[in-house]
Amino acid sequence: NAGVTQTPKFQVLKTGQSMTLQCAQDMNHEYMSWYRQDPGMGLRLIHYSVGAGITDQGEVPNGYNVSRSTTEDFPLRLLSAAPSQTSVYFCASSYSTAGYSYEQYFGPGTRLTVT
Amino acid sequence: TQLLEQSPQFLSIQEGENLTVYCNSSSVFSSLQWYRQEPGEGPVLLVTVVTGGEVKKLKRLTFQFGDARKDSSLHITAAQPGDTGLYLCAGGNRDDKIIFGKGTRLHILP
Repeated sequence: NAGVTQTPKFQVLKTGQSMTLQCAQDMNHEYMSWYRQDPGMGLRLIHYSVGAGITDQGEVPNGYNVSRSTTEDFPLRLLSAAPSQTSVYFCASSYSTAGYSYEQYFGPGTRLTVT
Repeated sequence: TQLLEQSPQFLSIQEGENLTVYCNSSSVFSSLQWYRQEPGEGPVLLVTVVTGGEVKKLKRLTFQFGDARKDSSLHITAAQPGDTGLYLCAGGNRDDKIIFGKGTRLHILP
């Protein structure tokens, strides 16, 4: 199993450009999520999905779109990149247990710089 | 809004010492996870606690979930340089939003 994969690993964008960060998992997990990690801010939830066709907003959703057409894939789209979106982005997936215990598996991250 | 506060923010100690880091909230969580993250990598799950008062041990690491399920602690016995990293707690609830604390950056000096 490859686990959670993310592409690209590094990306530089100019302000106003759009792009899609790819995330895929091969563990048949229903739950997937996107986080951004900034110095001193920990991991902040952008969007999450509890299954194919279902998405919802996290703490910091503005400027980002997601869709979940398959169980395996959960791409994150930046609509019009801004310098404030410079960050490290992590995708994660997990199964859900009866106790709502989401043990997440993380990808290696995408380091995005917006100039 | 649910918040998880971790303390201390930074901790630097000598190899062989013991330490405890904390994860506190005013909200109740149905489960809480601890992760460790090394530079340039994604967080890796260490443990999940789901029952108030629960204690779990992972070699030299002891995790405890508070009786009211609002707080947790991580105790490391005889710290080693390999324990160096960013320790994150995360809380889950029935609304499916999993939130993270800002982390404790731990540095063990040889």
